[in-house]
Amino acid sequence: NAGVTQTPKFQVLKTGQSMTLQCAQDMNHEYMSWYRQDPGMGLRLIHYSVGAGITDQGEVPNGYNVSRSTTEDFPLRLLSAAPSQTSVYFCASSLTSGEGYEQYFGPGTRLTVT
Amino acid sequence: GQQVMQIPQYQHVQEGEDFTTYCNSSTTLSNIQWYKQRPGGHPVFLIQLVKSGEVKKQKRLTFQFGEAKKNSSLHITATQTTDVGTYFCAGRRGYQKVTFGTGTKLQVIP
Repeated sequence: NAGVTQTPKFQVLKTGQSMTLQCAQDMNHEYMSWYRQDPGMGLRLIHYSVGAGITDQGEVPNGYNVSRSTTEDFPLRLLSAAPSQTSVYFCASSLTSGEGYEQYFGPGTRLTVT
Repeated sequence: GQQVMQIPQYQHVQEGEDFTTYCNSSTTLSNIQWYKQRPGGHPVFLIQLVKSGEVKKQKRLTFQFGEAKKNSSLHITATQTTDVGTYFCAGRRGYQKVTFGTGTKLQVIP
């Protein structure tokens, strides 16, 4: 199993550009989520999904969109990049949200917005 | 909303010394998880605590869940350089989203 994969590893955007961060998992996990990590602020939840076709907002959803058309994929779209979105983005998956199963994290995408 | 705080934010220890990080939630939790993130890496699951007062051990690591299920601690005995990284707690309240703590960055001086 590849686990959770994320692409790209690094990205530089200009203010106003849009892009999609890709996330895929091959463990048949129902629950997937996106976090951003900024120095001193831990991991903050952006959006999450409890299954294909179902998504919901986390703590910091503004400026981001998600969709979940398949169990395996959970892309994160930045609509109009801003410098405040410079961060490290992690995708994670787990068997289910309700039972508190461990989350498996991808390697992360380091995004810089200039 | 639910808040989870961790202290200290940073800790430098000499190799062989003990280390403890504390996690405090503003609300009662259903369970708490602990993760470790090595420098430049991604968070990796360490353990989950569910019961009030629960204590679990993994080699030199001891995890505790408070009686009121609002706080938790991670204690490392006799730190090694391989323990370097940031330790996060993550709390869940019922079926709600997981809230991560702010993390404690551990540096071990050889």
